[in-house]
Amino acid sequence: GENVEQHPSTLSVQEGDSAVIKCTYSDSASNYFPWYKQELGKGPQLIIDIRSNVGEKKDQRIAVTLNKTAKHFSLHITETQPEDSAVYFCASFMDSSYKLIFGSGTRLLVRP
Amino acid sequence: GAGVSQSPSNKVTEKGKDVELRCDPISGHTALYWYRQRLGQGLEFLIYFQGNSAPDKSGLPSDRFSAERTGESVSTLTIQRTQQEDSAVYLCASSVDWGADTQYFGPGTRLTVL
Repeated sequence: GENVEQHPSTLSVQEGDSAVIKCTYSDSASNYFPWYKQELGKGPQLIIDIRSNVGEKKDQRIAVTLNKTAKHFSLHITETQPEDSAVYFCASFMDSSYKLIFGSGTRLLVRP
Repeated sequence: GAGVSQSPSNKVTEKGKDVELRCDPISGHTALYWYRQRLGQGLEFLIYFQGNSAPDKSGLPSDRFSAERTGESVSTLTIQRTQQEDSAVYLCASSVDWGADTQYFGPGTRLTVL
């Protein structure tokens, strides 16, 4: 079945620097790739997503890139702020299985 | 409008007891999903509903787990004869329709089995 690998597991950056989180997926039929932010004690919140017919999507300080050939996608956060500190999860979705398969998460710490 | 809600927020139970976890999806959302998140780990898919039917139950960890949905609204996840390894946060999500659609998550129910 589909497998999603996420790296790094932890990431510490200085406020104002950029952060990049990378994920790879195994099934080329995957067609939807959301990114979620989870703060302590809360459910995951969608921050950005991308579909397989698009290579890049940007929303203010957040961007996601997708390389279908290599089967990987990345989250880019620019000008990081302390409130960006959280756990970030990538996920992939296949219509045939109707399942979101999540990566193992990246704990991001933005140091003031 | 209101988001996905779950109750209880916390549940502590003794090994061997049954528990029921409730999810109220966003009104009008056809699809509903249950996930399990063990401490410090990612989300594990359990089951999804299209309307009131669950086409794929293969994600349920064992036959002690069951779920139902009524009125294309509220869903209940039941765990019978709980075990310590069932301790986790159980998350519910809903989306407008099934498929590659945005899933909105509730805050979760933290289950602790003593």
